[in-house]
Amino acid sequence: AQTIHQWPVAEIKAVGSPLSLGCTIKGKSSPNLYWYWQATGGTLQQLFYSITVGQVESVVQLNLSASRPKDDQFILSTEKLLLSHSGFYLCAWSGGNSDYTFGSGTRLLVI
Amino acid sequence: GDSVTQTEGPVTVSESESLIINCTYSATSIAYPNLFWYVRYPGEGLQLLLKVITAGQKGSSRGFEATYNKETTSFHLQKASVQESDSAVYYCALGDDSNNRIFFGDGTQLVVKP
Repeated sequence: AQTIHQWPVAEIKAVGSPLSLGCTIKGKSSPNLYWYWQATGGTLQQLFYSITVGQVESVVQLNLSASRPKDDQFILSTEKLLLSHSGFYLCAWSGGNSDYTFGSGTRLLVI
Repeated sequence: GDSVTQTEGPVTVSESESLIINCTYSATSIAYPNLFWYVRYPGEGLQLLLKVITAGQKGSSRGFEATYNKETTSFHLQKASVQESDSAVYYCALGDDSNNRIFFGDGTQLVVKP
């Protein structure tokens, strides 16, 4: 069975500090991978997607970057956090057939 | 553009009452839109409740159902008799497989009173 694991579960970070959020998928080779973000009270927005190792497409510009260093790993990062980065981050995978599976998410508070 | 609009929450209903959460979509640049309902229970991640990828078809799960109506561009979620355990946030979503995109509505918080 496929599993998706996101880390950390929650973070409190200072403005201007770096951030790295991770997502690992087990049990599925060559998944499509996605990052989503939801500001408090806002809409879930797709940030990035990747269909293969080393290739990431940006959907929404939020001064964040994403990388896919391995087939089963998707990393979201920034060197300098902004207050506006606070929110809920979700990773997801799909097999390209409209079946999206989401992780449990990471709650980020930037202070 | 491509977007989803759903009933603004919170929606409060009493146990055993019927429920409808409206969802309409705009898919101007998606040739074959797929439609989904996701649910997030308190303290849990986002789970797929049901999906329909063909216009005119109905999806159902856990007593919930939704019909993909291309004429009215709607995908309303209905349940005949809700339970307290259905309290959660429900998201309608529009998928575009050819561009690896999925668009979410704002979510509707459902509160079921005992």
